[in-house]
Amino acid sequence: GESVGLHLPTLSVQEGDNSIINCAYSNSASDYFIWYKQESGKGPQFIIDIRSNMDKRQGQRVTVLLNKTVKHLSLQIAATQPGDSAVYFCAEIHTGGFKTIFGAGTRLFVKA
Amino acid sequence: DGGITQSPKYLFRKEGQNVTLSCEQNLNHDAMYWYRQDPGQGLRLIYYSQIVNDFQKGDIAEGYSVSREKKESFPLTVTSAQKNPTAFYLCASSIVGLAGGASYNEQFFGPGTRLTVL
Repeated sequence: GESVGLHLPTLSVQEGDNSIINCAYSNSASDYFIWYKQESGKGPQFIIDIRSNMDKRQGQRVTVLLNKTVKHLSLQIAATQPGDSAVYFCAEIHTGGFKTIFGAGTRLFVKA
Repeated sequence: DGGITQSPKYLFRKEGQNVTLSCEQNLNHDAMYWYRQDPGQGLRLIYYSQIVNDFQKGDIAEGYSVSREKKESFPLTVTSAQKNPTAFYLCASSIVGLAGGASYNEQFFGPGTRLTVL
């Protein structure tokens, strides 16, 4: 596969459109998942979480979908705004094994 | 205001010098973590501490050292043995470090310290 190297996957959307950011996780034993938002030069901020006994969870303007069959997680942002521009990454947690794995992230650009 | 703080925000180091990055939290969290973030990569765990006076190596501990003398504080020292220390360093904390329920593993992050070697 393609090496990301210094370049994160990028998603560019028009203001007001919906955004979908995807994450493939690696550990089938992971039972808790978090999406974080990281703005340039800042620490990551919690957006939404989901446990493995759920397949969908909704927050304010955000929805997380979990497909355990294919080990896939997605973050949907409704009515994307310029303030949503950031890097988004997922974290998979195996609570029994005390292990958190962070994805490299996707950079979201919102065009006004 | 509860939170996790890191200082300084920017740090410059000459080759051969040790530097210490500060991390403080007033969330009453037992577990604390240090991560390194490089462009285009996920967070990599350097060290973690599940309880005071105890800490464990993460995936990339070589060239780093930590201490956990107080629950609130988890300083990271970047030693001269770390060959490529220029990076963005993130400190985090969580309620507990061991399985205690899913949400207890949620990690809260500080604002980060950008370290540059001159």
